[in-house]
Amino acid sequence: EPEVTQTPSHQVTQMGQEVILRCVPISNHLYFYWYRQILGQKVEFLVSFYNNEISEKSEIFDDQFSVERPDGSNFTLKIRSTKLEDSAMYFCASTEGPSGEKLFFGSGTQLSVL
Amino acid sequence: AQKITQTQPGMFVQEKEAVTLDCTYDTSDQSYGLFWYKQPSSGEMIFLIYQGSYDEQNATEGRYSLNFQKARKSANLVISASQLGDSAMYFCAMREGQWLTGGGNKLTFGTGTQLKVEL
Repeated sequence: EPEVTQTPSHQVTQMGQEVILRCVPISNHLYFYWYRQILGQKVEFLVSFYNNEISEKSEIFDDQFSVERPDGSNFTLKIRSTKLEDSAMYFCASTEGPSGEKLFFGSGTQLSVL
Repeated sequence: AQKITQTQPGMFVQEKEAVTLDCTYDTSDQSYGLFWYKQPSSGEMIFLIYQGSYDEQNATEGRYSLNFQKARKSANLVISASQLGDSAMYFCAMREGQWLTGGGNKLTFGTGTQLKVEL
């Protein structure tokens, strides 16, 4: 079965550094998402992306965050200047359409900010 | 008010028994979708089952079924014939009607239920 691929699986960075989390969505999918889960807490929506622009973003997704689809296969989340509270598991997801019945998540990137 | 409420932080079930994980939701939208995901200790989020608000039949996917009671706003997950590999955190999530206005799959998640299957 096709799957969403995320790299790296773990990322450790120093506070204030920039990080880029990478995702390869399922090939025929058009809608892409980032979610995050702080340890022991709920999964939270960050941003949705379609047709090379952001469709919706949450309050968490401030100016320190950006997303990009640099080519036909990758979808990236950049955190410009990481803070301790950015430590979390970041999940990429994709669907074929806006109301996809199956929202497939990648296996996540565990980001640790020291 | 919480949009998704999972009242069972932890559940135990004997292998081969059925178990029901509770989920209630709160929305004023007529069109919405309900999802269940499984998160093993390795951390990935595995899609289990989906129920649309207009679906008249309860969704089923193999050993998973969703007991959808619209008037009560509940969407409980039933796992039949539990297996040791079912031990994991289970999340209920809802997509509200904003996808109609281009919002797409913005899901609101519950706090999860940790299920432990015992021999």
